[in-house]
Amino acid sequence: ETGVTQSPTHLIKTRGQQVTLRCSSQSGHNTVSWYQQALGQGPQFIFQYYREEENGRGNFPPRFSGLQFPNYSSELNVNALELDDSALYLCASSLPEDRAGELFFGEGSRLTVL
Amino acid sequence: DQQVKQNSPSLSVQEGRISILNCDYTNSMFDYFLWYKKYPAEGPTFLISISSIKDKNEDGRFTVFLNKSAKHLSLHIVPSQPGDSAVYFCAATEYGNKLVFGAGTILRVKS
Repeated sequence: ETGVTQSPTHLIKTRGQQVTLRCSSQSGHNTVSWYQQALGQGPQFIFQYYREEENGRGNFPPRFSGLQFPNYSSELNVNALELDDSALYLCASSLPEDRAGELFFGEGSRLTVL
Repeated sequence: DQQVKQNSPSLSVQEGRISILNCDYTNSMFDYFLWYKKYPAEGPTFLISISSIKDKNEDGRFTVFLNKSAKHLSLHIVPSQPGDSAVYFCAATEYGNKLVFGAGTILRVKS
């Protein structure tokens, strides 16, 4: 059984640029969630995708957008990067019938914005 | 507006003793609570959970207690082992759509 994989693991961007982060969900999982973890804080919910449709969104501006593909993999896109976007971005997959909140997380993509 | 709070940034415990990690929440609509453990350079991993209709759930060395009237939950680890050293996140959810995490507590178990 393949776990959740994310790429890239580390990247550096400058303010104003755009970034795309990728996630492959655990085998058989059709729900993908993205979280942002700033330094010293807990993960914050960005949005969730279920069967290629957005299924819930946290308090993040529209320049944070996502996609889910037919194979359930997902992308997180962030436009017009700001310094405060520097964080660890975590992808998590699950099945809707799984017990609430039991997510399987990837190792994350660490984004640094200069 | 922090709906889930972990007021202790760190905790140090001797091997073999009990570790108690605490968490407070403000949203009375939360119906499910979870603890996740995170090692450096790894994603968080699910540890144990409890439904709001229960006050205790046990899994091996790990027990979670829920006090709904106080909006407080705690994780007990007995006995603590050096491999338990990690960051522990408390999380809560309303209808399972999204998790709201606390800031985490760093647990160090000394041998």
